[in-house]
Amino acid sequence: QQPVQSPQAVILREGEDAVINCSSSKALYSVHWYRQKHGEAPVFLMILLKGGEQKGHDKISASFNEKKQQSSLYLTASQLSYSGTYFCGTAPNTGNQFYFGTGTSLTVIP
Amino acid sequence: SAVISQKPSRDICQRGTSLTIQCQVDSQVTMMFWYRQQPGQSLTLIATANQGSEATYESGFVIDKFPISRPNLTFSTLTVSNMSPEDSSIYLCSVGLAGDVYEQFFGPGTRLTVL
Repeated sequence: QQPVQSPQAVILREGEDAVINCSSSKALYSVHWYRQKHGEAPVFLMILLKGGEQKGHDKISASFNEKKQQSSLYLTASQLSYSGTYFCGTAPNTGNQFYFGTGTSLTVIP
Repeated sequence: SAVISQKPSRDICQRGTSLTIQCQVDSQVTMMFWYRQQPGQSLTLIATANQGSEATYESGFVIDKFPISRPNLTFSTLTVSNMSPEDSSIYLCSVGLAGDVYEQFFGPGTRLTVL
């Protein structure tokens, strides 16, 4: 049930863009994105509901393709503070089951 | 949002013993969850802590090994029983606020090492 993320790891220079993908084998009700810095707890970024909506704040946005059971996280003009591991989390319905993806390590260098 | 604290923050335990981890939230919350995260790995949901009833466990996790209590809407405990080195991990509690689609807020985690 664990969603698969790609790429596993990416290294960017400040100002570059990145896309992180999340793919599930099951139908999804919602997709959540979190960022976890080393030694810290995951921090919520955004939720997307089925319906193909796109969300964003600042230079981080995401899309959700319900039919393909996929979501993508877009980071534009990356900053050093964007470094960390990004996890998608998927929920097949409105219940309690919530599964984190495999994770993508993102490193932004000067 | 919610502020979550966990105790202990870390512990080193001997094989065969048990450890109880506490999770305290600064406000009443609907959902509370327990996760495990191996170093460098993703988070795995252990169970949903239900207030006033037995926890709901995910596949691969059983009540005898990971008993959970949730006596009220702000507090929960997870016990790791009869520990082995394979239980060495970070254990995190998280909470979801009211509503059918919710963001989760995570506690700082408990780093457990079993010798």
